[in-house]
Amino acid sequence: EVQLVESGGGLVQPGGSLRLSCAASGFTFSSYSINWVRQAPGKGLEWVSYISSSSSIIYYADSVKGRFTISRDNAKNSLFLQMNSLRAEDTAVYYCARSRSTHSPVDYWGQGTLVTVSS
Amino acid sequence: DIQMTQSPSSLSASVGDRVTITCRASQSISSYLNWYQQKPGKAPKVLIYDASSLQSGVPSRFSGSGSGTDFTLTISSLQPEDFATYYCQQSYSTPITFGQGTRLEIK
Repeated sequence: EVQLVESGGGLVQPGGSLRLSCAASGFTFSSYSINWVRQAPGKGLEWVSYISSSSSIIYYADSVKGRFTISRDNAKNSLFLQMNSLRAEDTAVYYCARSRSTHSPVDYWGQGTLVTVSS
Repeated sequence: DIQMTQSPSSLSASVGDRVTITCRASQSISSYLNWYQQKPGKAPKVLIYDASSLQSGVPSRFSGSGSGTDFTLTISSLQPEDFATYYCQQSYSTPITFGQGTRLEIK
């Protein structure tokens, strides 16, 4: 069974940092691209970042470029999102989400982890 | 960036109704259009990919059509479990973008 389990969310002050993790199981992690997608409370879905299977291709939304860094460890079946200089507008549930490529749909999602940026 | 616009933003319908949701892209995206269903407190689930391909395990009452800039998601006969929010998403180019969502409510 494919599973994606996010962790690392919590309450952080504006300007602070947080590192999200996503543990994958039930599939060959190194063969898939992974995305981070977020959803602010009561709002729609916003794509945040993408990393290819080998980490050779990385993309970011303009809203997080220069502040967030995506990475992965295929040996440990893990994905990460380092979030720096956090703002109130970064408050959201963050999902890790599997796809084959940027042209493919997201076929599996984690359950999400909530990040709250507030003083 | 490619803007995705869904209509309507909300919709009231009854069990057994036929429902259509539309999604328009600000430029041509070929058939790189996906539809997702999201229920409250849950992660989204893909229903249709590449505009018209039914994801494995999704009931056949869901169908998608379109290409270029105009797309539709149709539910042929609404079931109680279909009341949810639906999102379209373009996977033609980055940044990947979603429509604003269509909330489907029980009449």
